[in-house]
Amino acid sequence: AQSVAQPEDQVNVAEGNPLTVKCTYSVSGNPYLFWYVQYPNRGLQFLLKYITGDNLVKGSYGFEAEFNKSQTSFHLKKPSALVSDSALYFCAVRKSFGNEKLTFGTGTRLTIIP
Amino acid sequence: GAGVSQTPSNKVTEKGKYVELRCDPISGHTALYWYRQSLGQGPEFLIYFQGTGAADDSGLPNDRFFAVRPEGSVSTLKIQRTERGDSAVYLCASSPNTGLAGTGETQYFGPGTRLLVL
Repeated sequence: AQSVAQPEDQVNVAEGNPLTVKCTYSVSGNPYLFWYVQYPNRGLQFLLKYITGDNLVKGSYGFEAEFNKSQTSFHLKKPSALVSDSALYFCAVRKSFGNEKLTFGTGTRLTIIP
Repeated sequence: GAGVSQTPSNKVTEKGKYVELRCDPISGHTALYWYRQSLGQGPEFLIYFQGTGAADDSGLPNDRFFAVRPEGSVSTLKIQRTERGDSAVYLCASSPNTGLAGTGETQYFGPGTRLLVL
């Protein structure tokens, strides 16, 4: 079975500081990894994904994430946080072939403090 | 271009009633997914369509839940004899599913239907 852990329910960061939202995963075989963001009363918006290749992937709104196979992690990062980054962030994993379903973590609420 | 749309945006029903939730995927996307998101949780997979057929329905919680996609585009999630525990946000997603690494894997989500069973 595949699973995702987001160990922090809440992360608070001062505006302008770097931010990290943590994610670890478990899946058989090679993973496809995703980050989505959810704003209030909105659906999930795709931020970035790791499929293959370079372990550092860059996505929308200045976010990036680093795939670490040995630590089975895919932490989301941004060098300088904006107040508008405040939202709920979900990490998700799926197998690289076969079953298409995404398995999500429980989410991390990111609050950027002005 | 237009994203995934879902109707209704909100649905309130009484315990025991039947409900239908509709999803319009992004034009040309062959894969369609339904997820359910309960309060404070991440989305949980329900069912996946490739074209008209259900390729994986392992996430449907019981036989009260059923979904169709008769023409390979619009999908309807049907819930019979609704229970209070069915209250959640039902999310639909679609992807091009080209089978080419790096292009077809991203699932694009609609805004969801918030279902409340009284």
